Amino acid sequence: QLQLQESGPGLVNPSETLSLTCGVSGDSISSSSYYWGWIRQPPGKGLEWIGIIHYSGSTYYNPSLKSRVTISVDTSKNQFSLRLTSVTAADTAVYFCARQGDRGTYWGQGTLVTVSS
Amino acid sequence: DIVMTQSPDSLAVSLGERATINCKSSQSVLYSSINKNYLAWYQQKPGQPPKLLIYWASTRESGVPDRFSGSGSGTDFTLTITSLQAEDVALYYCHQYYTNPHTFGQGTKLEIK
Repeated sequence: QLQLQESGPGLVNPSETLSLTCGVSGDSISSSSYYWGWIRQPPGKGLEWIGIIHYSGSTYYNPSLKSRVTISVDTSKNQFSLRLTSVTAADTAVYFCARQGDRGTYWGQGTLVTVSS
Repeated sequence: DIVMTQSPDSLAVSLGERATINCKSSQSVLYSSINKNYLAWYQQKPGQPPKLLIYWASTRESGVPDRFSGSGSGTDFTLTITSLQAEDVALYYCHQYYTNPHTFGQGTKLEIK
């Protein structure tokens, strides 16, 4: 059974870099059938797609965040990561990692990241 | 970007009655070559991640009760919950994964009347 687990700091200072990792179990991140990605949800608000990566290294980012986002994959550890630079309070959100396929998206439990000094 | 617009924003339905949520995309999400709409529906309860209910606009995910059904094609889609149960109280989102960036509807809050 697929499990996705986000990990990383829950508090980030403004202007610094948010870094999260998603550990994958129950599936291989090297599966050609899927993309792996990040979606966020500010408290009490809707869902914002951040971007996705294929194990081959192909990435697609939301243009609204593209200048600040990097998603990378580590096939040896079966995990993938998110880096978001120059964060502000507007980046405070629950960050979900996810597996994206033709049959929809499977989500991790999510982790709250607060941007505050 | 494809804009996804759900209606209504909130909905109150009596137990055992039918709930209908609509989703409209600003452009078609139909892959004509394979005749599949890249449109999914999710249910989100407080403190939980979204749960996949429906993909390809009308295919129910394994384990999802058959009172949940999806319909529509192109730009207009509907999620129907027949015989509403108390555990169906949640937020519901539509999601297009036809093109990048993926986009979501704003959500519909479903409550018991």
